[in-house]
Amino acid sequence: AQSVTQPDIHITVSEGASLELRCNYSYGATPYLFWYVQSPGQGLQLLLKYFSGDTLVQGIKGFEAEFKRSQSSFNLRKPSVHWSDAAEYFCAVGARNSGTYKYIFGTGTRLKVLA
Amino acid sequence: ETGVTQSPTHLIKTRGQQVTLRCSSQSGHNTVSWYQQALGQGPQFIFQYYREEENGRGNFPPRFSGLQFPNYSSELNVNALELDDSALYLCASSFHGHEQFFGPGTRLTVL
Repeated sequence: AQSVTQPDIHITVSEGASLELRCNYSYGATPYLFWYVQSPGQGLQLLLKYFSGDTLVQGIKGFEAEFKRSQSSFNLRKPSVHWSDAAEYFCAVGARNSGTYKYIFGTGTRLKVLA
Repeated sequence: ETGVTQSPTHLIKTRGQQVTLRCSSQSGHNTVSWYQQALGQGPQFIFQYYREEENGRGNFPPRFSGLQFPNYSSELNVNALELDDSALYLCASSFHGHEQFFGPGTRLTVL
């Protein structure tokens, strides 16, 4: 079955510290992978995406993610977190099934940043 | 270039009522997908429309239905509203589905 797992429901880091959010996926073919950020009461903002090519992907706001096929992972990283990064983060895989292409999302990781 | 827009932004309904949510797709896009995001959850795929036909459906009952119009805009209709239908409803448009661009969402509260 196609699925996305975000093992960490909540993560708390201090401002200026590094960050890594974990994402594991289950998908039989080559995946299209995405990370989104959502602030309270807001919609989804795309941080970065992986379709093919270089497995280290750069995104907006200083985020990057690395696709590791052998580990079925697409972890999100940021070297130095800012207070404004506090939000909920969703990993998603684009999955094709019987002619329908849909996104499958993880349950999200809520990031808290300490001043 | 206009992005994906959704209306209304918020609405409140009572149990048993019917609701229609609207989505205007991004210019050049021909496919619209709808997602439901319950509180504390990730978005869940409801269904997708391509060329005015339903082109795939998630695990949602028939009281969730939709339309796509010749200009590729779309509606999501929910009949016989239940309390659990309270959620953020996201519309996403794409060209043949690969990269989907999300609208800001409609927050539905069912009392």
